[in-house]
Amino acid sequence: DTAVSQTPKYLVTQMGNDKSIKCEQNLGHDTMYWYKQDSKKFLKIMFSYNNKELIINETVPNRFSPKSPDKAHLNLHINSLELGDSAVYFCASSQDGGTSLYNEQFFGPGTRLTVL
Amino acid sequence: TQLLEQSPQFLSIQEGENLTVYCNSSSVFSSLQWYRQEPGEGPVLLVTVVTGGEVKKLKRLTFQFGDARKDSSLHITAAQPGDTGLYLCAGAVHSNYQLIWGAGTKLIIKP
Repeated sequence: DTAVSQTPKYLVTQMGNDKSIKCEQNLGHDTMYWYKQDSKKFLKIMFSYNNKELIINETVPNRFSPKSPDKAHLNLHINSLELGDSAVYFCASSQDGGTSLYNEQFFGPGTRLTVL
Repeated sequence: TQLLEQSPQFLSIQEGENLTVYCNSSSVFSSLQWYRQEPGEGPVLLVTVVTGGEVKKLKRLTFQFGDARKDSSLHITAAQPGDTGLYLCAGAVHSNYQLIWGAGTKLIIKP
């Protein structure tokens, strides 16, 4: 069974379009994250939800809007896509979030977004 | 601002050689994690070190947490082509949901 799954794996779209990426985890974790990995492979946190509540909202354009319908799901909607949004987006989850020493994170396979 | 400096950024060596990757910070972490990421996949957790001075071994990989819990190293003995990948370190701070990530080390082991 896949622990953290994301759909789609690849997303190619035109500038100005609106798109969504979905994430689901079956690990029973309380905390979920969205990361952006650029061409230099640096992982940048975008958002984090703990039990459906937004707890991290980094400096991300408000064209990006996360939604967590329940603690197993965290979706990312992007409006008015721009060329600079092209990257790999990773969803991750962790059991303890900020409440333990560990915050070990489990990642999905990534969604490669290409904006043309 | 908490930073985790990872070095080297890129390493290409022959099969059978040894190597060490470093992560350094001026901040104290409650734990430090090492992940490996292969092309087209997400990072996968290798190990978490928690106690200052702790050493953990995973087959040919040895992970060490500095005494002051500000730095860590990953040593690979007799590297194999299967070790090729992007290695990422990440520091956790208690009560902070956000991990502090290193920039990654791209490792290539040539047969």
